[in-house]
Amino acid sequence: QSVLTQPPSVSGAPGQRVTISCTGSSSNIGAGYDVHWYQQLPGTAPKLLIYAYTNRPSGVPDRFSGSRSGTSASLAITGLQAEDEADYYCHSYDSSLSGAGVFGTGTKVSVL
Amino acid sequence: QVLLVQSGGEVKKPGASVKVSCQASGYTFIDHGIGWVRQAPGQGLEWMGSIRADNGHTKYAQRFQGRVTMTTDTSTTTAYLALRSLTSDDTGVYYCARDISSYEGDYFDYWGQGTLVTVSS
Repeated sequence: QSVLTQPPSVSGAPGQRVTISCTGSSSNIGAGYDVHWYQQLPGTAPKLLIYAYTNRPSGVPDRFSGSRSGTSASLAITGLQAEDEADYYCHSYDSSLSGAGVFGTGTKVSVL
Repeated sequence: QVLLVQSGGEVKKPGASVKVSCQASGYTFIDHGIGWVRQAPGQGLEWMGSIRADNGHTKYAQRFQGRVTMTTDTSTTTAYLALRSLTSDDTGVYYCARDISSYEGDYFDYWGQGTLVTVSS
């Protein structure tokens, strides 16, 4: 049972915008810990997509963006493409776990 | 380029131990830590812990405390994950990842290819 909750699935047609929420609490996101996002394509290792809420590593398309609001974070994908069909995970840290890391429950993005 | 290459798959019996290696290249090994993440079949990612390569300081997830040991060998730029007293619940893919330290919470910017550990009698 993760302390970071994500919707199990979201879907959208090509070209549409989808958002994935990552809901935490006062001991993780609300405590000031950053949120990072990873994309995991089927059968592959996760890939860093966004770090520290809004920063994209080199090579990540600007279709991917992150934001924060209170004790939640969100990942938005604009101009959805077939290649975006994957699992997405948020990642933060939690003071109630002695500062240990924690991943969100994961969200499957389907492109209709 | 940064590469993390993990050891091959393992099959273990319940109660045994396993040791997974992760050889890093393409950067100065002691400049960053290594984190370990597990993924059970069909499940999400689980943070196991991390180790600083410069001083060996570790941080483990509570559920693995007492059963896990993370180490590094700076001479071979290799990190190791050892897990004892295996049960079938430990079956899964184990990933190593380069840990970028941040006061507000580390993140993993490069990942190994994963090592499948199967625990079965």
